[in-house]
Amino acid sequence: AQTVTQSQPEMSVQEAETVTLSCTYDTSESDYYLFWYKQPPSRQMILVIRQEAYKQQNATENRFSVNFQKAAKSFSLKISDSQLGDAAMYFCAYRRGNTGKLIFGQGTTLQVKP
Amino acid sequence: DAGITQSPRHKVTETGTPVTLRCHQTENHRYMYWYRQDPGHGLRLIHYSYGVKDTDKGEVSDGYSVSRSKTEDFLLTLESATSSQTSVYFCAISETGTYYGYTFGSGTRLTVV
Repeated sequence: AQTVTQSQPEMSVQEAETVTLSCTYDTSESDYYLFWYKQPPSRQMILVIRQEAYKQQNATENRFSVNFQKAAKSFSLKISDSQLGDAAMYFCAYRRGNTGKLIFGQGTTLQVKP
Repeated sequence: DAGITQSPRHKVTETGTPVTLRCHQTENHRYMYWYRQDPGHGLRLIHYSYGVKDTDKGEVSDGYSVSRSKTEDFLLTLESATSSQTSVYFCAISETGTYYGYTFGSGTRLTVV
């Protein structure tokens, strides 16, 4: 069975600095997708970034980028120039193919200090 | 997201009573899911549906049932609520061939006293 692990329950970063959130996963599949979701205090689940396993290039969305290490089964999220609005819980998630169910990690709470 | 709504947003109920949570979508997506969110566990899948009247269990399905009589509605029922079912419940939708993950509802905070 596939699993997703986020080993950092809480992280903090100074405003304007860079922070990296870690995620590892376990799978024997070759076709899968990886995601980072943000959950602010409003509780809404917001897709931050996604990565297709077959793509070697790391995904980037503005200040958010990933370090996808397929052999190591690692998928970390880097937030550059952190802003107060980045404070939230972040979930790493795995999906097998286009129809597999989304499997989540435990979440990491990010605090941004002014 | 305007394409998916959950009701109610908050609910307090007593132990032993049945509770039904509703998820409604306007996107005509085939797949619908119910998750629960608990501290230290992330989101865990309760049940999911891959079409009208087609449902299956997730990893934490005990004590829950679901129904999908129309494409747009997916109901989650707690047959006899227990305190361990106090949680935040999320509905999500997806469509075949999309790799954007899921679209989530705003969640229902359920407290069982």
